[in-house]
Amino acid sequence: EAQVTQNPRYLITVTGKKLTVTCSQNMNHEYMSWYRQDPGLGLRQIYYSMNVEVTDKGDVPEGYKVSRKEKRNFPLILESPSPNQTSLYFCASSLARGDYEQYFGPGTRLTVT
Amino acid sequence: GENVEQHPSTLSVQEGDSAVIKCTYSDSASNYFPWYKQELGKGPQLIIDIRSNVGEKKDQRIAVTLNKTAKHFSLHITETQPEDSAVYFCAAKASGGGSYIPTFGRGTSLIVHP
Repeated sequence: EAQVTQNPRYLITVTGKKLTVTCSQNMNHEYMSWYRQDPGLGLRQIYYSMNVEVTDKGDVPEGYKVSRKEKRNFPLILESPSPNQTSLYFCASSLARGDYEQYFGPGTRLTVT
Repeated sequence: GENVEQHPSTLSVQEGDSAVIKCTYSDSASNYFPWYKQELGKGPQLIIDIRSNVGEKKDQRIAVTLNKTAKHFSLHITETQPEDSAVYFCAAKASGGGSYIPTFGRGTSLIVHP
């Protein structure tokens, strides 16, 4: 089954404790991205990657890091999480750059206390 | 950069009624306009999209219209059903020119009452 998977689905952590949210897709997609969803603000893009070793900032990249060492994986790293990063996070992938459908993962709800 | 405004933020209708969600965008270079549906506890899923060379597109009970002059596009759902209840997002994106980032609206929570 074609899908985007994220882990963990739920995470509660404390300020400053480094964490990684994994994202994997099995569709051989070139393009992957991370979004955060906050009430009243919709979906805002954090980082995106057009291919292996090619990443770039989205609209709200501060406090986040990403890497794309393999085509299928695109982890999101929070080196020192803060309470304002409490949010619902989505990973997405699409075939390539251009007007292609984005396939979203199921989401990771992160709470930073 | 692009700015997408979406209205209303909440829409409540009776089963069988029609629902309309409207979006405006600011960047005249935008030429691709997808709509996503997000059901509770799930990620958004593409339901329909339209490109700037088309004024209207239909898929069964859903349709999208685009007015490039007014920078306005809308989602129309006819004969609504309870399973249409979800959050709907519009988005706008310019192809080419190095722009790979779609800009999403803030979402509309559609509630269909049986």
